[in-house]
Formats: sequence, C-alpha cells, structure tokens
Amino acid sequence: GQSLEQPSEVTAVEGAIVQINCTYQTSGFYGLSWYQQHDGGAPTFLSYNALDGLEETGRFSSFLSRSDSYGYLLLQELQMKDSASYFCAVIYNFNKFYFGSGTKLNVKP
Amino acid sequence: KAGVTQTPRYLIKTRGQQVTLSCSPISGHRSVSWYQQTPGQGLQFLFEYFSETQRNKGNFPGRFSGRQFSNSRSEMNVSTLELGDSALYLCASSPGQALSTDTQYFGPGTRLTVL
Repeated sequence: GQSLEQPSEVTAVEGAIVQINCTYQTSGFYGLSWYQQHDGGAPTFLSYNALDGLEETGRFSSFLSRSDSYGYLLLQELQMKDSASYFCAVIYNFNKFYFGSGTKLNVKP
Repeated sequence: KAGVTQTPRYLIKTRGQQVTLSCSPISGHRSVSWYQQTPGQGLQFLFEYFSETQRNKGNFPGRFSGRQFSNSRSEMNVSTLELGDSALYLCASSPGQALSTDTQYFGPGTRLTVL
C-alpha cells in the first residue's frame, strides 16, 4: 500500500520561513505534488516534482529526494493569507493519486 | 474558462438512504476524480473516470459507485448511507492524458451530512 507522513500542524509568524516535510512509502512512485486548501475552500495546485531537486515558484518552493522518499514545501516571507492546510500527494503507477492527511499552517502576526 | 462545478453544495440525508452527487469538469477535461475528505483523514481517493470508463478505484466499499457521461460530466452514488459517510466530497478534473503530470482542478465540494 501507500503511506504518507506529514506534520499535522505547524505555526509560524508573518515574514518567517516555514518548511513542511512529507515522507512517503510507495511502489511505482512517479512524482510528488503539493496542494493548498483554505478553510471552506477547494484544494488548489501548488507544485509538482518528478525529479530530485528544488522547484521554485515565487515565494513557494518544493523539494524532492527520491532516494530518501522525502520531499518538502518551503514557504518564504509568510503572509497571513498563507494560513491554510497543505497536502502532499504522491502520484504512483503513472496515474494514481494518494494524498496525505494534510498540515495545518497557522501564520501569526 | 468556467471551473469545476459540483451540485448540490450541501445535502442532508438519513441512514439507509442513497444519494447522487454531480460534477461538471472544466470544458475539455476528460478525467474526473472523486475524493472523500473528513477531518484528520485528508483526501481519500474514491475513483477516477476517463472517457466514460473507470480507470482507477480506491479502497471504498461497493456502496460507492460512479459513472461518467459522454460530455465528461460525472456522478457518484452512495447507497445505504451510514453515519460515517458524512464528509466533504470533492471532484477534480484534469485533461486526462497523464495524471502523473496533469494538474488536478478541484471543485468546491458537496458537504454530505448523514443523520
């Protein structure tokens, strides 16, 4: 089966940097995605990593190490609007998704 | 381009009843996936349809079923509802050629409450 581990909750202050880790166990691994979901909202796509390394998109970066079965989402210059839940999801066997339980990020002033 | 729409947005049913939820994907998208979201459980994959065929299925009992129509609209049905079926049901659409690289676009969800 598939398994994903990510912290359930993280708290940081506005302007800081926060890293949300995701470790996975899966067969047929293809890639790792990150989604953001605000309370009451729909998940929205943030990033996708298929190869080792760092992908940067504005204030958000995502990293993958396939050899360590590990990835993280890095959020810089935190803003209050970044308070949300963040889900990592593995894509495996080419076209199957498995989502983690999500990390609730609380940004404090 | 209009986003993914789901109807109804809220639904209250009683145990033993059945329910049908609808999802209209983004125009041109051929893949529709369904997820169940409950507090602390994340998004659990139900099934995925592509070109009217179920391409992938999660680990849910047979009470959960779905279908996709020729216009890519999809419905999911839950029969003999149980209290534990109370959840937010999300559908997501993608172009469908390869989920491994496709971005999934989520709808707002249907909040189902089973009493």
